[in-house]
Amino acid sequence: KNQVEQSPQSLIILEGKNCTLQCNYTVSPFSNLRWYKQDTGRGPVSLTIMTFSENTKSNGRYTATLDADTKQSSLHITASQLSDSASYICVVSAQNSNSGYALNFGKGTSLLVTP
Amino acid sequence: NAGVTQTPKFQVLKTGQSMTLQCAQDMNHNSMYWYRQDPGMGLRLIYYSASEGTTDKGEVPNGYNVSRLNKREFSLRLESAAPSQTSVYFCASSDLLPQYFGPGTRLTVT
Repeated sequence: KNQVEQSPQSLIILEGKNCTLQCNYTVSPFSNLRWYKQDTGRGPVSLTIMTFSENTKSNGRYTATLDADTKQSSLHITASQLSDSASYICVVSAQNSNSGYALNFGKGTSLLVTP
Repeated sequence: NAGVTQTPKFQVLKTGQSMTLQCAQDMNHNSMYWYRQDPGMGLRLIYYSASEGTTDKGEVPNGYNVSRLNKREFSLRLESAAPSQTSVYFCASSDLLPQYFGPGTRLTVT
């Protein structure tokens, strides 16, 4: 069964500090991996998308890494800001020949950045 | 561009009542999706439409119906609401990558 596991479930850090969120998956065949940011009361917004051949991608202070061999990804946030407080969701896409791309969602990591 | 819009933002229903959640996108995307998000569960796919005129069941379709009215609009109908359908519902659209999500509809069934 395709699964996406995220850790930690929640995290509290001080403003200005760095943090790393983890995503392990068992999805096969792998197509791509996405990280989304979801602010409270809003829909998820895409941060990065990585395909099999990409092992790192940055979006401002957000850097995602992908190790397709170990089926692990991480999202590193540099110099955190209060506005980074949100849920971060890892989504792994499987190639599905019948109906396009099947998405597998992690449960998310809830990040709180405090002053 | 408004992106993906959803109406209503909030709704309270009594058990057995029916309602339709509306979704529209202005990005000319072919694919549209309906998800529900429950605490500790992550997003789960209810139904999707890969293109205008087609709809398919997702992971949790029971108790729901959908209509892809045209390329822009994709509605989700609850014929007889149940307390288990209390959730936040998100509509999304895409042309493969990435998906764009609407702001969500918070539904409570009492």
